[in-house]
Amino acid sequence: EPEVTQTPSHQVTQMGQEVILRCVPISNHLYFYWYRQILGQKVEFLVSFYNNEISEKSEIFDDQFSVERPDGSNFTLKIRSTKLEDSAMYFCASSERHEQYFGPGTRLTVT
Amino acid sequence: GDSVTQMEGPVTLSEEAFLTINCTYTATGYPSLFWYVQYPGEGLQLLLKATKADDKGSNKGFEATYRKETTSFHLEKGSVQVSDSAVYFCALSERYGNKLVFGAGTILRVKS
Repeated sequence: EPEVTQTPSHQVTQMGQEVILRCVPISNHLYFYWYRQILGQKVEFLVSFYNNEISEKSEIFDDQFSVERPDGSNFTLKIRSTKLEDSAMYFCASSERHEQYFGPGTRLTVT
Repeated sequence: GDSVTQMEGPVTLSEEAFLTINCTYTATGYPSLFWYVQYPGEGLQLLLKATKADDKGSNKGFEATYRKETTSFHLEKGSVQVSDSAVYFCALSERYGNKLVFGAGTILRVKS
């Protein structure tokens, strides 16, 4: 069964450093998303992406964040200058229609 | 804006007990509704969905019915197992391609 994959599973970085989180969505899906979950809190939407452009973004997704689909398979989230409060689990998801399928997540720890 | 409210947990049940996790929503249109499950240390898995009023979603013994009149989508299971222990999230989406709006999640613990 096709699945969304994410790398790395865990990333530790120092405050102020840039990180890139990678995702491979399900191959025939057209819509891509990033969400995050701070430990013990609810899952929050960051950004959605369709037809090679951002279709919606939340207030969290400020100028420090960017997304890219550099080739036909990868979908990346870049955080330019990480802050302590960026520590969270980051989930990528993709969908063809209503159902969004999630990857296993990348745990980002900012020290 | 859209929002989802779930009953607070944790919910602790004995094996074979009946489960209900309440979920109500606020939305401007007619959203699709979902239940996702997160097992310890894992990502979110789609459990079931309903895309219009009176639809019943079902999977692995879990069921939920889309009730427009009460804006609810309560999750039920007739007989829970220890392996059902997880965090359950109710969510909505206004249309496909749109973001999911999640509830806070409900921790379910099932004891043998």
